[in-house]
Amino acid sequence: QKEVEQNSGPLSVPEGAIASLNCTYSDRGSQSFFWYRQYSGKSPELIMSIYSNGDKEDGRFTAQLNKASQYVSLLIRDSQPSDSATYLCAVLYSGAGSYQLTFGKGTKLSVIP
Amino acid sequence: GAGVSQSPSNKVTEKGKDVELRCDPISGHTALYWYRQSLGQGLEFLIYFQGNSAPDKSGLPSDRFSAERTGGSVSTLTIQRTQQEDSAVYLCASSLAVAQGPYSEQYFGPGTRLTVT
Repeated sequence: QKEVEQNSGPLSVPEGAIASLNCTYSDRGSQSFFWYRQYSGKSPELIMSIYSNGDKEDGRFTAQLNKASQYVSLLIRDSQPSDSATYLCAVLYSGAGSYQLTFGKGTKLSVIP
Repeated sequence: GAGVSQSPSNKVTEKGKDVELRCDPISGHTALYWYRQSLGQGLEFLIYFQGNSAPDKSGLPSDRFSAERTGGSVSTLTIQRTQQEDSAVYLCASSLAVAQGPYSEQYFGPGTRLTVT
């Protein structure tokens, strides 16, 4: 059973602070990891992807991957109220010719003005 | 460029009727995926296509669900004899290819909200 675990939150941070979102996954062989943002009533939007150990930065977002610990995280610097959304961690599992993106249940982030 | 489009955006149907949901992927994307998201629930994988073939149908909840893709582009998800538990948002996504790495990045359409009364 391929699993992706996230803390459901809600995670509340003050405006301007760093928000830290965490995710663990079960399949040690996974190679592709994604973070999606989903506003209420909208579809998921891809915001970060990461494929190798270490950090990847894009603007205010930093994704971190540690394959040995089977751990992925997303840091949002200088959090804004517009960052308030549910953040979904997704892991691409492959095997026996099949590829399946498995999502965590999401962490709800609230940025307080 | 144009993103993934889905139609209809909303569908209300009576229990027992058949429905068809349509997805038009991003131009040039060979892979297409269907997911379902029930109220307050996570994203549930249904099926994916590589070109016109569907290597993995394991996520389809029952034999009332089927999907096809023709011409390597548009896909239709059909639900026969709808039940109230089929009520959900049906999401379609596409990616450049089915593979590990950047080509696998999936981009979602706006979804179809299905309500079965």
